[in-house]
Amino acid sequence: AQSVTQLDSQVPVFEEAPVELRCNYSSSVSVYLFWYVQYPNQGLQLLLKYLSGSTLVKGINGFEAEFNKSQTSFHLRKPSVHISDTAEYFCAVSAWGGGADGLTFGKGTHLIIQP
Amino acid sequence: IAGITQAPTSQILAAGRRMTLRCTQDMRHNAMYWYRQDLGLGLRLIHYSNTAGTTGKGEVPDGYSVSRANTDDFPLTLASAVPSQTSVYFCASSPTRSDTQYFGPGTRLTVL
Repeated sequence: AQSVTQLDSQVPVFEEAPVELRCNYSSSVSVYLFWYVQYPNQGLQLLLKYLSGSTLVKGINGFEAEFNKSQTSFHLRKPSVHISDTAEYFCAVSAWGGGADGLTFGKGTHLIIQP
Repeated sequence: IAGITQAPTSQILAAGRRMTLRCTQDMRHNAMYWYRQDLGLGLRLIHYSNTAGTTGKGEVPDGYSVSRANTDDFPLTLASAVPSQTSVYFCASSPTRSDTQYFGPGTRLTVL
């Protein structure tokens, strides 16, 4: 079975400041890693994903994440945030080569951008 | 661009009533999923289907059933709704079992 821990339920940050949203996972099998964003009253939209290859992955809206296998982490970063980045962010894993079906999600991090 | 459609958008339901949430995708994806989203709990998998004709149980399947008669449709049925099933329900699909999932807009269900 897999599990995902998002270490912060809420992150306030000033506009144009950098931000990091933290995600750690555990799994007995190899996993793919995802970050999704949910704007108010909307569905989930894929920000970026790690399947294999380079551990630094770039996504939409200027976000990037780094896969660290030894620390089982997949932290999301953005060098300069905007008011429009205010949303709920979810880290998720899916197992390949065995393990549970579907995505296992963290509980989410609410990113609050302050002007 | 269609992707995934869900119906209804929202619904208020009396406890004990039967309800079917509809989900249709036009991407010819093999795998489909149902999740529920509750405040502070993130999204949890209810049921999934890796291909038409097969279904499986997720993390929170009790009180729900699904069917997958064809590739495009994956309805979720609450046989006898209870207040604890008040939630936002999301349908998703992916090309294969472990690939990127694409989400529908959700159905907000309130059981009174």
